[in-house]
Amino acid sequence: GENVEQHPSTLSVQEGDSAVIKCTYSDSASNYFPWYKQELGKRPQLIIDIRSNVGEKKDQRIAVTLNKTAKHFSLHITETQPEDSAVYFCAASDGYIPTFGRGTSLIVHP
Amino acid sequence: SAVISQKPSRDICQRGTSLTIQCQVDSQVTMMFWYRQQPGQSLTLIATANQGSEATYESGFVIDKFPISRPNLTFSTLTVSNMSPEDSSIYLCSVERESNEQFFGPGTRLTVL
Repeated sequence: GENVEQHPSTLSVQEGDSAVIKCTYSDSASNYFPWYKQELGKRPQLIIDIRSNVGEKKDQRIAVTLNKTAKHFSLHITETQPEDSAVYFCAASDGYIPTFGRGTSLIVHP
Repeated sequence: SAVISQKPSRDICQRGTSLTIQCQVDSQVTMMFWYRQQPGQSLTLIATANQGSEATYESGFVIDKFPISRPNLTFSTLTVSNMSPEDSSIYLCSVERESNEQFFGPGTRLTVL
C-alpha cells in the first residue's frame, strides 16, 4: 500500500517568513495530492491540491509543487500570518482513498 | 464543497457501553468514510461506508467493534461497541466529491471512562 512521509513534524517561523512542508510517497500509481489544514478543535479543511499532470499550483499565498520522478511534493506558504498556525496534513491518493501524512504543526510567531 | 453534520459533537461514556455517531450530508454522495483521529495524531481510516452493501474495513478494524450503516446516499452511522478508554478519540466522517476531493464532518469527540 501507499506510504506517505511528512517533514518536519513541527515548524516554527516568524510572521512574514516563508514555510515549506515536504512529503514523499511510495506508490507510483498515486495521482492526486491534497493538503489539509486543521486548526485546533476544528475539522481538516482542504486548502489546495495538485494532480499528477501538473508540476505546480498556486493560490494566493500558498503553492504546491510535485516531482513525480522523485515522488515528492511540497506545500509552500509565503508571508506567513499568525492565522496560518495549524496542523497541516499532506495526502496521496490513487483515485480511491487517500493516505495521510503524520502532520506538521506550523507555529507562526507574531 | 459539502455541508456535513455529525451527532453528537461530543460524549463521555462508560466503559462497556456503545455509542452511535450519525453523519448527515446535504446532498447525495457515493463514497462516505469514517476516520479516527487520536490526540495529536494523523487521520486513520476505519472503513468505507457503501450504500447498499457492507462497509469495507481497514486493517485493524472489525465490524463487530465498529458496525456501520449506510441506509441511503446522504446518511451513515458508526457505532463504537463495548467501549474501553483506548477508544477515546475524535471520530470524523468524510465524503468524496467529484475529482477525489474529500470533505470532513466536524467530528465527534469521544471520552471513555
